[in-house]
Amino acid sequence: DTEVTQTPKHLVMGMTNKKSLKCEQHMGHRAMYWYKQKAKKPPELMFVYSYEKLSINESVPSRFSPECPNSSLLNLHLHALQPEDSALYLCASSQSSPRTSGYQETQYFGPGTRLLVL
Amino acid sequence: GIQVEQSPPDLILQEGANSTLRCNFSDSVNNLQWFHQNPWGQLINLFYIPSGTKQNGRLSATTVATERYSLLYISSSQTTDSGVYFCAGMSYGQNFVFGPGTRLSVLP
Repeated sequence: DTEVTQTPKHLVMGMTNKKSLKCEQHMGHRAMYWYKQKAKKPPELMFVYSYEKLSINESVPSRFSPECPNSSLLNLHLHALQPEDSALYLCASSQSSPRTSGYQETQYFGPGTRLLVL
Repeated sequence: GIQVEQSPPDLILQEGANSTLRCNFSDSVNNLQWFHQNPWGQLINLFYIPSGTKQNGRLSATTVATERYSLLYISSSQTTDSGVYFCAGMSYGQNFVFGPGTRLSVLP
């Protein structure tokens, strides 16, 4: 099973709302990633978790707050977002951390959450 | 970091035609993947191919690591092949970087 699941599929929120995106994988992978993809652009890395610890934060604004409660689950908490944060948010996982052997491994992506901020 | 170029940016084909998509890297990579993003946004893994040649049905890919490029071949294209094709790569100590993509439209 090479499946990464994400919920919700779609999310509409106001700039004062707090919401969370959820990502789950049951492949035993120990590295999980959040990417942001704007329309007609490639995905861009936001965060990397390795063994449930945040290992990479690509200078993402603090209104995005990641959390990795266990090895299968990755959350992205959203607060006080701006309309320009509207995008497709993709979660991915790989067997190992990219800082060790994970840079030579396949990344598997979830279907994404399409976020609209009004 | 690594820079990734893809060509062509857009491609329109008649069903049944063959095509070649190219990906160039500014530096050597240890991880190279090809993805197909369908109209719903799902990124589907096509190949993990840091070097060599692989085939899967009508699709095949070749990476020449020493010359820092990879090719994706689509034969006998079908309308379901439409979407955006991304290559992405990574080396030790760097992040996974995507190319800008090739947008493919296959017409019936």
